[in-house]
Order: sequence, then structure tokens, then C-alpha cells
Amino acid sequence: NFMLTQPHSVSESPGKTVTISCTRTSGSIASNYVQWYQQRPGSVPTTVIYEDNQRPSGVPDRFSGSIDSSSNSASLTISGLKTEDEADYYCQSYDTSNQVVFGGGTKLTAL
Amino acid sequence: QVQVVQSGGEVKKPGASVKVSCKTSGYTFTNYAIGWVRQAPGQGLEWMGWISPYNGNKNYAQKLQGRVTMTTDTSTNTAYMELRSLRSDDTAIYYCTRLTGTSFWFDPWGQGTLVTVSS
Repeated sequence: NFMLTQPHSVSESPGKTVTISCTRTSGSIASNYVQWYQQRPGSVPTTVIYEDNQRPSGVPDRFSGSIDSSSNSASLTISGLKTEDEADYYCQSYDTSNQVVFGGGTKLTAL
Repeated sequence: QVQVVQSGGEVKKPGASVKVSCKTSGYTFTNYAIGWVRQAPGQGLEWMGWISPYNGNKNYAQKLQGRVTMTTDTSTNTAYMELRSLRSDDTAIYYCTRLTGTSFWFDPWGQGTLVTVSS
């Protein structure tokens, strides 16, 4: 099976743009969809990106997702960073055996 | 709207079993799989498995094979997750979530059930 590797933490100033990476350790990142979940402290995870780059209704267009086959990674980009975006972010995908994999999570701090 | 409501918290002794329920509403239960995810205190999300209410197909995380059983009751639109031979490191919040089969997208999530394993 593969793993999804995320940075442990990232920080950026409000108003700036921040990108969180999610690197697949084996197999192609493009083979299976990637989702991104936001989890604020003490709260349930919610989806910010599904199917690589789709935003659920209600998620601001400041959130975007992409896939880069050259680095075998997915990215979540948040533009116009707000303090309310402070949270843990998890990427998630699956394999050909329909086993699900979560990344280790990235703690985002809006300084 | 789609709702996923889980049973309340549990305290269990090591070696015991726990069964968490997950009642769904607002959609056709048999059209989506149900996934289970847990989160130990201060840790990340760990996938446990999924089950299809349509045909009973299941897929468990290898780490939990032999200790976990997932079932569904289509008459009440409820899913269940039983974990046996509990250990202290099974202490976690257990989430039930609807799973979109085509892209394995978990949404929405239940409110979570805290299971504490302590002697």
C-alpha cells in the first residue's frame, strides 16, 4: 500500500496564499481521486475539496485543489488566508483494492 | 438534508467489546457505502473500513482485521461498527461517514463517538 505524506505544519499571514502538499509514496497520484478535509479544534472533519479539485457547495472559492504528476503530489491552496482557516487539514485517497489512506495531517496557523 | 447521527460515548475495560451505531437519514441508504474513521487523542485520522448496505460488501483496514465487524440494518437505515478485544490504544473518537463509492469521498461525517478504554 502507499502513504500520503503531508508537512506537519505550515504558517502564513492573513491575506496571503498558503499551499499544503500531499505526496503519494508509490503509485500515481493521478490514479485515484484526492480529497481534502478541514478539521477545526474540537470539531468534526468537513470537506473542502473532493475529486482532486471540486469544491462542495458552501466552501469559498479561496480554496482550490490540484494534482501534479511530476511531483506525484496533490496540493490544497488557500488564498486570502483568514484566521478562521486555522485548522488541521487532511488529504485522503484510496488504492486499487479500495483501501482508503489518509495523510498525517497539516496544522495550519494564520499568524 | 443528509444526516448521520451516532450513539453516545462509551467507557470499556481492556479486553471488552464496543458496538457503535450510526443512524442515517435524508438519502437512500443503500445507494452509498458507510465508512468508519477513528481519531486517537491528539492524533490524525485513521481509516477503519467501509461497508456497502446494498450488497454487504466490506473492506477493513488490515491493521484491524479480525477485531472489527461492520454491519448495516436497511430496515432502520443504521450502520454498526463492533470492535473487540479492546486495548488502551483503541481509545479514540470513532466517526461514521457516508462514502461516495465512485471517488471514495467521505461526506457528511457523524458527530463522533468517544470510546475510552481504561481499567
